Amino acid sequence: EAGVTQFPSHSVIEKGQTVTLRCDPISGHDNLYWYRRVMGKEIKFLLHFVKESKQDESGMPNNRFLAERTGGTYSTLKVQPAELEDSGVYFCASSHWADNTGELFFGEGSRLTVL
Amino acid sequence: AQSVTQLGSHVSVSEGALVLLRCNYSSSVPPYLFWYVQYPNQGLQLLLKYTSAATLVKGINGFEAEFKKSETSFHLTKPSAHMSDAAEYFCAVTLSADMRFGAGTRLTVKP
Repeated sequence: EAGVTQFPSHSVIEKGQTVTLRCDPISGHDNLYWYRRVMGKEIKFLLHFVKESKQDESGMPNNRFLAERTGGTYSTLKVQPAELEDSGVYFCASSHWADNTGELFFGEGSRLTVL
Repeated sequence: AQSVTQLGSHVSVSEGALVLLRCNYSSSVPPYLFWYVQYPNQGLQLLLKYTSAATLVKGINGFEAEFKKSETSFHLTKPSAHMSDAAEYFCAVTLSADMRFGAGTRLTVKP
């Protein structure tokens, strides 16, 4: 069974440009999460999808960030326009709705560097 | 809201020595607790989880953690460190849907 996959693994862009990160969850997982880790800091929650609906987007930093999950499968996280403070590693995770233990399965992350 | 605090951003041990990584949680009700590990250039991998069954939880690679409600702690231990244990370790807590992480502890193992 394939795990959570994220693309790209590393993206380097200039301030003001746009970047789109993609996450493919484990097949059949309705729950999809985005997290971010800024260098040396904690891993912070961004948002949570249940299928195609946003269950909780309280962690989204501002309106430069847009997450979508059309069709309830893969998800994209777009940053437009990117700022220096957006640099970090963006993790995607998924879980099955029937798993009430809360365990999340993580991808390897997408490292974003904004110059 | 639930949260976790990891004491010590860096821990260094000698190969063969005891590993102890500390985690304290804050939650209004008994939560689910997790330890994840991130090896260099890899994603987060689940080490072990506490889900209100046994208070002593055994995980992969010889790690274990004990849930202590009276101390609101969930410390991670391993009797004998191996060079391959060098990584960053994250404690995490969840009540229902959203998982919250600690700041991480980087473990260095000296030969």
